[in-house]
Amino acid sequence: DTEVTQTPKHLVMGMTNKKSLKCEQHMGHRAMYWYKQKAKKPPELMFVYSYEKLSINESVPSRFSPECPNSSLLNLHLHALQPEDSALYLCASSLWPSGTYQETQYFGPGTRLLVL
Amino acid sequence: GNSVTQMEGPVTLSEEAFLTINCTYTATGYPSLFWYVQYPGEGLQLLLKATKADDKGSNKGFEATYRKETTSFHLEKGSVQVSDSAVYFCALSERTSGSRLTFGEGTQLTVNP
Repeated sequence: DTEVTQTPKHLVMGMTNKKSLKCEQHMGHRAMYWYKQKAKKPPELMFVYSYEKLSINESVPSRFSPECPNSSLLNLHLHALQPEDSALYLCASSLWPSGTYQETQYFGPGTRLLVL
Repeated sequence: GNSVTQMEGPVTLSEEAFLTINCTYTATGYPSLFWYVQYPGEGLQLLLKATKADDKGSNKGFEATYRKETTSFHLEKGSVQVSDSAVYFCALSERTSGSRLTFGEGTQLTVNP
């Protein structure tokens, strides 16, 4: 089973709201990722967690705050977003971080976010 | 740095036609290569992968061979179906780039009945 689940599927929020995206995997993977994907573009890496510690932050604005409560869960807390943050947010996981050796990343279905 | 170049789309084919989507890469080391597919309104699904030169990845009738001499990983399918309509992304990962997947720009495939 290579399933990564994400909730909610869709989210509409105002610029003053606080919301969270959730990602879960039960494959025993130790690396988890957040990506942002705009329409007709490839995903862009935002954050990488390796063994539940933040290992990569691709200079993402602080209005996006990731959290990894345990090895199966990854959250993305959103606060004071801008309309240009509207996008598909994808979570992925891999058995090991690819700094060890190349590992396949498995993606969830994504959360489609609209910021009004 | 690493980069992936995909053939420009969109690509429109009739059902049962032969499909080729070209992908070439630049990498400093020995990358693993992937094809991901994204159906409308969905996330990315791994379609196939190859981790070393001359490996052939295959899945659901799709194939791609890792060609180190031409730095290519072209996706092929002998007979496409309407249900294959999607966006296809070629990607690579490589030890020196850490946990980063480098994606091509994606190719939109539309298959008409």
